[in-house]
Amino acid sequence: SQQGEEDPQALSIQEGENATMNCSYKTSINNLQWYRQNSGRGLVHLILIRSNEREKHSGRLRVTLDTSKKSSSLLITASRAADTASYFCATDRSNSGYALNFGKGTSLLVTP
Amino acid sequence: DTGVSQDPRHKITKRGQNVTFRCDPISEHNRLYWYRQTLGQGPEFLTYFQNEAQLEKSRLLSDRFSAERPKGSFSTLEIQRTEQGDSAMYLCASSLVLALDEQFFGPGTRLTVL
Repeated sequence: SQQGEEDPQALSIQEGENATMNCSYKTSINNLQWYRQNSGRGLVHLILIRSNEREKHSGRLRVTLDTSKKSSSLLITASRAADTASYFCATDRSNSGYALNFGKGTSLLVTP
Repeated sequence: DTGVSQDPRHKITKRGQNVTFRCDPISEHNRLYWYRQTLGQGPEFLTYFQNEAQLEKSRLLSDRFSAERPKGSFSTLEIQRTEQGDSAMYLCASSLVLALDEQFFGPGTRLTVL
């Protein structure tokens, strides 16, 4: 079963704008990760945030985590056409700790 | 390229046939995972190995599915008596024990069952 739910399902913005995607999950976690999937390519890990962290940055990416609300957000600043992809949040499966539960993803389109 | 590789990239088969996919993880990674992804959905966990031991199987992995990792290196996923509902992208990932929980994914094998 899929633990995470991303919101919105689809997002269309212009280059230079910021894109924000949200993820909600159901059960307690050790960490939450965000992955990107381009058309025809595999999943690429973007960033991991642990349950005791509230915010993390990596380049143009900013991730927040609110464990009390069981939610996370991914902000991509100054978006580029190359950011066009599907973005998934993934939580660890606390009963096993290793395999990931993915949401359905947010499809981001960045137009020039 | 030293990433995760999968073979074949595409497979078209007729219902009832058996198919086998191969995954070669990053060489020093001792955990290997199989996921299945259907259109418009995120990947769903199927099974994972630590070295050659298969430590967990999802309820999605019916008895028609079998996975092996005989020497703790590459892995195979076999589907017997394929059904149209098996059509999906099959993704393999690997990770390293004691590292951050990042998983490295292969490009996937797209299975179409006619």
